[in-house]
Amino acid sequence: EDQVTQSPEALRLQEGESSSLNCSYTVSGLRGLFWYRQDPGKGPEFLFTLYSAGEEKEKERLKATLTKKESFLHITAPKPEDSATYLCAVASGNTPLVFGKGTRLSVIA
Amino acid sequence: NAGVTQTPKFRVLKTGQSMTLLCAQDMNHEYMYWYRQDPGMGLRLIHYSVGEGTTAKGEVPDGYNVSRLKKQNFLLGLESAAPSQTSVYFCASGVGGQGYQPQHFGDGTRLSIL
Repeated sequence: EDQVTQSPEALRLQEGESSSLNCSYTVSGLRGLFWYRQDPGKGPEFLFTLYSAGEEKEKERLKATLTKKESFLHITAPKPEDSATYLCAVASGNTPLVFGKGTRLSVIA
Repeated sequence: NAGVTQTPKFRVLKTGQSMTLLCAQDMNHEYMYWYRQDPGMGLRLIHYSVGEGTTAKGEVPDGYNVSRLKKQNFLLGLESAAPSQTSVYFCASGVGGQGYQPQHFGDGTRLSIL
């Protein structure tokens, strides 16, 4: 059974304090790993897709990386507007996406 | 640039009542999905559709029915609402195939069952 575990559950950072969020996964045959951002009262917003170990994607202050067992979402010099819940999801075979429970990030000015 | 639109945005029901949640997408996507999101549980797939006229069960299908009569619409029905169905419901759509393309989400329907 595919499993996705995100850590930490919650993270509080000072503005400018860089950190990383973790997504560990157990799947048989990864087809894609997805990162989403979710703001309160909104639906998840797509950020990145990673397909193979070693792949990296960047967008503004965010950088996603992928290994064979986990993915990291690195946040460099975060700003208060980066505060949100970040969701990780994996796809394998023909089964539907499996989502992690998310990391709730708060960036304090 | 509507994307995925869900109606209604909020609803309160009494136990035993029925209702239908509507999802509409204007991106010509083949795949559509219904999820529920509960505190501490993450997003869980209820039902999904891989094309017009098709539906399939997800992780938590009991108590729900769906229909996909038109490509752009995906309806989620609760025949006899129960308090355990209090949740935030999200609809999503995708180009096709689970592994290669991202899903795009609506902003949710907040449903309370009293």
